[in-house]
Amino acid sequence: QKEVEQNSGPLSVPEGAIASLNCTYSDRGSQSFFWYRQYSGKSPELIMFIYSNGDKEDGRFTAQLNKASQYVSLLIRDSQPSDSATYLCAVRDFGNEKLTFGTGTRLTIIP
Amino acid sequence: GAGVSQSPSNKVTEKGKDVELRCDPISGHTALYWYRQSLGQGLEFLIYFQGNSAPDKSGLPSDRFSAERTGGSVSTLTIQRTQQEDSAVYLCASSSEGEQYFGPGTRLTVT
Repeated sequence: QKEVEQNSGPLSVPEGAIASLNCTYSDRGSQSFFWYRQYSGKSPELIMFIYSNGDKEDGRFTAQLNKASQYVSLLIRDSQPSDSATYLCAVRDFGNEKLTFGTGTRLTIIP
Repeated sequence: GAGVSQSPSNKVTEKGKDVELRCDPISGHTALYWYRQSLGQGLEFLIYFQGNSAPDKSGLPSDRFSAERTGGSVSTLTIQRTQQEDSAVYLCASSSEGEQYFGPGTRLTVT
């Protein structure tokens, strides 16, 4: 059974600080990694994807992937109250189209 | 451009009735996916379409669930003889190059 694990939180971070969200996955065959943001009562919104080891930056967001450790993370710099949401980690295996999701980490930015 | 659209946004039905949920993907996206999200749970994969064919139906929970896609565009998810455990948000996503974008979802409540 493939698993994607996330700390459910809640994770509380002061406004302006760096929020760090972590995700581990069990299948070494996983090839593609995604972070979705989901506001309460809304559908998931894709915010980052990463396919290669290392860091990928997009604005205030940085995704980090370490395939050897089977670990992917999302950093949010200069956290804003609007970043308060549940963040879902998802992985896709090579040759497989479906995404396997973690249960999400609830992030709260404290003004 | 227009995103993924789903209808209805909310559906309340009596146990034992059949329901049809509709998904209209992003124009030009050849891949279409159905997931469901139960209260407090992660997203659960149901079925994947590439064009009009469904190479992966592995997530359909029972034979009461079926889906079709016509013209490589709109998809319909049908649930027959609904049960209370079918209550969830049903999410549709589409993609063209691997990144999946979600629609707003249909909230199904079975009473």
